Parts: sequence; structure tokens; C-alpha cells
Amino acid sequence: GENVEQHPSTLSVQEGDSAVIKCTYSDSASNYFPWYKQELGKRPQLIIDIRSNVGEKKDQRIAVTLNKTAKHFSLHITETQPEDSAVYFCAASKNNDMRFGAGTRLTVKP
Amino acid sequence: NAGVTQTPKFRILKIGQSMTLQCTQDMNHNYMYWYRQDPGMGLKLIYYSVGAGITDKGEVPNGYNVSRSTTEDFPLRLELAAPSQTSVYFCASSRQGHATGELFFGEGSRLTVL
Repeated sequence: GENVEQHPSTLSVQEGDSAVIKCTYSDSASNYFPWYKQELGKRPQLIIDIRSNVGEKKDQRIAVTLNKTAKHFSLHITETQPEDSAVYFCAASKNNDMRFGAGTRLTVKP
Repeated sequence: NAGVTQTPKFRILKIGQSMTLQCTQDMNHNYMYWYRQDPGMGLKLIYYSVGAGITDKGEVPNGYNVSRSTTEDFPLRLELAAPSQTSVYFCASSRQGHATGELFFGEGSRLTVL
């Protein structure tokens, strides 16, 4: 089955800096790549997603890039704010099989 | 809309006991899922359902059972609880199928097996 690896496991940045989280996947047939944000003690919530026919997608301070050839995709957060502190999960899926990465704990220091 | 509602939020079980985690959604979604979340391990799919009367195994189904008698409800049954089932459980639903659309999660149920 699909295997998703996510790096780094923890990331600390200064407020206003950028943060980048990277994921690799193993199954070249995967075609949907969402990112979820989970604040402490809360439920995961979708923040952005990308499909395999698109190389990049942006939503305000958040962007995701996909490199199908290398089988990796990344989350970019610019101008980070303390409220961006959370655990971020990437996922890769095809059909009804979605696999999540282990998560990245992002801390934004004021 | 309440979205996805799970009960209970917390539960402590003794080894060998059984229990049911309840999940209901009011968004008329056909697809529903149960995940478990262990520290540093991400979310792993236990079971899923593509509609009433249809269920299928996910990545880690052993020790669990589900049923889907209505569109709204998708309970998860633990038989003969084991310490390895200590985890946080999330129920989720989606309109399009979880491989192509947004998952809406419940608030989670923290289960401890002692």
C-alpha cells in the first residue's frame, strides 16, 4: 500500500518567517494530496489540497506544490503567526485508500 | 448543523471489556470513516463505509467491528479490549469519498485500556 513520509517532525520558526513541510509518497497512482491542521486537543481540519493534474495551489498565506516525477509535495506557510502553531498532516490517496504522514508539530514563536 | 458528533469523549476500559463508540453526522454524507491516532503516528484508517449497508476494512481493522444501518450513524465496536487499542479515535465523513474530498472530523474519543 501507499507509504507517506513527512519531514520534519518538529519545526520552530519566528513569527513572520516562512515554514516549509515536505512529504514523499510511494505510489505513483496517488492522485489527491490534502493537508490537515490539528490544533492541540482539537479535530483535524482541511487547510488546502491539490490534485495530481495541478503543480501548485495557493490560498492566501498557504501554498502547496506537487512534484509527481519525484513523488513529493510540500506545504509552504508565509508570514507565520502564533495561531499557525499546530500539528500539520499531509496525506496521499487513490480510490478509497488515503494514507497520512506522521505529522509535523509547528511552533511559531512571537 | 452539528456536523460529526462522537460519544463518549473519554472512556477507560479494563482488558477484555467491550464498548461501542458512537458517531453520527447530519450533513447527509454517504461516506463515513473511523481513524485511530497514536502519538507520532498520524491517522490510520480502521473501517470505512460508502453508504448505508456497506462497510469495508481499512488499514488496521483487527479487533474492531462496524455497522452502517442508516446514512447518519456509523458506530465502532471494540470487542475484548486490549492495551494496544489505547488511542484517540476520530470519526469522519465526506461527500465525495475520502480519496477526493474534504474529510469532516468529529472531536475525537480518547480511549484508555488498562
